[in-house]
Order: sequence, then structure tokens, then C-alpha cells
Amino acid sequence: KAGVTQTPRYLIKTRGQQVTLSCSPISGHRSVSWYQQTPGQGLQFLFEYFSETQRNKGNFPGRFSGRQFSNSRSEMNVSTLELGDSALYLCASSTPGQAPGEQYFGPGTRLTVT
Amino acid sequence: AQSVTQLGSHVSVSEGALVLLRCNYSSSVPPYLFWYVQYPNQGLQLLLKYTSAATLVKGINGFEAEFKKSETSFHLTKPSAHMSDAAEYFCAVSAGSGGYNKLIFGAGTRLAVHP
Repeated sequence: KAGVTQTPRYLIKTRGQQVTLSCSPISGHRSVSWYQQTPGQGLQFLFEYFSETQRNKGNFPGRFSGRQFSNSRSEMNVSTLELGDSALYLCASSTPGQAPGEQYFGPGTRLTVT
Repeated sequence: AQSVTQLGSHVSVSEGALVLLRCNYSSSVPPYLFWYVQYPNQGLQLLLKYTSAATLVKGINGFEAEFKKSETSFHLTKPSAHMSDAAEYFCAVSAGSGGYNKLIFGAGTRLAVHP
């Protein structure tokens, strides 16, 4: 089985712009979670989608949003980018039957905001 | 609420020596606990998980961890370090089924292995 894939792997944007990141989960996985990783704040949970519905959300401003499609692929969007949004964004997928929190992670999208 | 504390942001060991990475957790519900590893320029990989089935948990690459409720600890060990173990290790707690897959991570411990 192919693993979790994320596109693009690297992205450079300018302050004020918006960006969309994409995640394709492992085939058959219906849950997709997003995390932000920065040197200062570490790994922080953004949100989780299951069957096209957001079922959990972290403590991030409304500029961060996401969605999930019927094929379980997910996108996250960040509007009005700030310098502090520079981070590695990780996507993770899981399937029912796994322990809560047991997830397979993608390689991440490294976003640089200038 | 859940939280995780990893003692030591950097640990350095010699090849062949014991690896001990410390993790303490706080949870208001019976926790699900995990260790994930991150190699440079990669995502996270699950090393092992505690789901209340057994207190001593064995994972991949020779790693194991012991759940100690009285100490609220879930330390990661490996008897003999290998150069390929150099990476960053994250302890994480899940909020359980009510929190779905939300993970709370520790700050991470970077393991260096020298010859």
C-alpha cells in the first residue's frame, strides 16, 4: 500500500497570500488529521476530518481551515499568511480499529512565508 | 486535559550503549500513549503504543517502553544503540476515543549516537 502523500513538499509564499496544502491518505483510511510543527511550538494539532466532517479542532485562528472530499483526500488552507505560519505541516491518516492516536504520517509540506 | 513532558531535549549515547528517553504524562482519563520517531526531512513513524493491554510494550527496531501508572511515566528504552537510531523522538498522548485521533506531543528528544 502506498503511504500518506502530501503535495507540494515545499512552498514559499509571501505575507498576506493564501495557500492550500493537499493530503492523500492511505487507501481505505477515512480519518485525516493535520499538525503544525515549528521549532518554537513543537507539534500542534490543527484539526481532524472523518467522512468529510470535521470532528475535532485544535486551538488555531480561523485563518486555518480544512476540508475532506468523498475519496478521503484532504486539503488545508491558510489565508492571510503571517511570518509565524512558516512551519512543517504534517498530515496523518488512520482507520477504524486502530487505537485513538495511532496514525500514519506523511512526509510533510514545508511552508516558508517571506 | 492531557499533557506530555519529555525530560532532556538532547541525549547523546555511544554506539552499543543503553538508550533511555524519558516521558511523563498527565491525563484525566486512561491514556493511550505513543512514541513516534522523526528522521531528518521525514514525517513521523510510530515506534510503539500503549493501549492498556500490557504495561511493557515492544515496538519496532528493538525499542520498548514501560507504562507506570504510579509514576505517570512511559519511558522509552533500547538495550544497545545503533548509529541508525539517531533521530528525534516524540512521546504523545491521545485524548482517547472521545478526542478521536488528536495527539498531544511532548517537545521531543533529539538522540545522537556516536561511535
